[in-house]
Amino acid sequence: GDSVTQMEGPVTLSEEAFLTINCTYTATGYPSLFWYVQYPGEGLQLLLKATKADDKGSNKGFEATYRKETTSFHLEKGSVQVSDSAVYFCALGGSGGSYIPTFGRGTSLIVHP
Amino acid sequence: SQTIHQWPATLVQPVGSPLSLECTVEGTSNPNLYWYRQAAGRGLQLLFYSVGIGQISSEVPQNLSASRPQDRQFILSSKKLLLSDSGFYLCASRELAGGGELFFGEGSRLTVL
Repeated sequence: GDSVTQMEGPVTLSEEAFLTINCTYTATGYPSLFWYVQYPGEGLQLLLKATKADDKGSNKGFEATYRKETTSFHLEKGSVQVSDSAVYFCALGGSGGSYIPTFGRGTSLIVHP
Repeated sequence: SQTIHQWPATLVQPVGSPLSLECTVEGTSNPNLYWYRQAAGRGLQLLFYSVGIGQISSEVPQNLSASRPQDRQFILSSKKLLLSDSGFYLCASRELAGGGELFFGEGSRLTVL
């Protein structure tokens, strides 16, 4: 079945540091890929997405590229801010006709001033 | 885009009491609907999903149940709560014709004492 593997956290960075959160996946077919963000006490919200190979999703300074050859969708940001502190989830849309999205376990990011 | 409303936002219930969490969706029709639970530690556990009125699929056997009495209404229930039912419950919606992303509500935090 489908699966998503994210790097374990927490990731702790100083403000303005470079961020990478690794995400790899296994899936049948060619699912869409997503990054969601969850701020403390809130629900998840879509951060960015990519629907086919080599697509780059971007939003709020975050970027991720759909790499079919390495089955990866790593999240990057050039300069993090304290307000980026949150939990980040990598996910893939249901593939092979499945209605069920698959989520990674989430990576907590803590940014210090 | 869609808006997901969940209530109540917070509740504290004694063991053995009943539960009803409600979710309504605005801005779309005939969505796929999902109930997730998020225990301490961030991971998302899919509890139920629905592809249409009256159609419920359960992913985890437990003392919870779900119902979809209307196209954009999804209810999570229990007749007798257990301590292990404590957690953060999230309702999500996905359009069939959209990009495949999920829209989440703000969550309902349940504490069972």
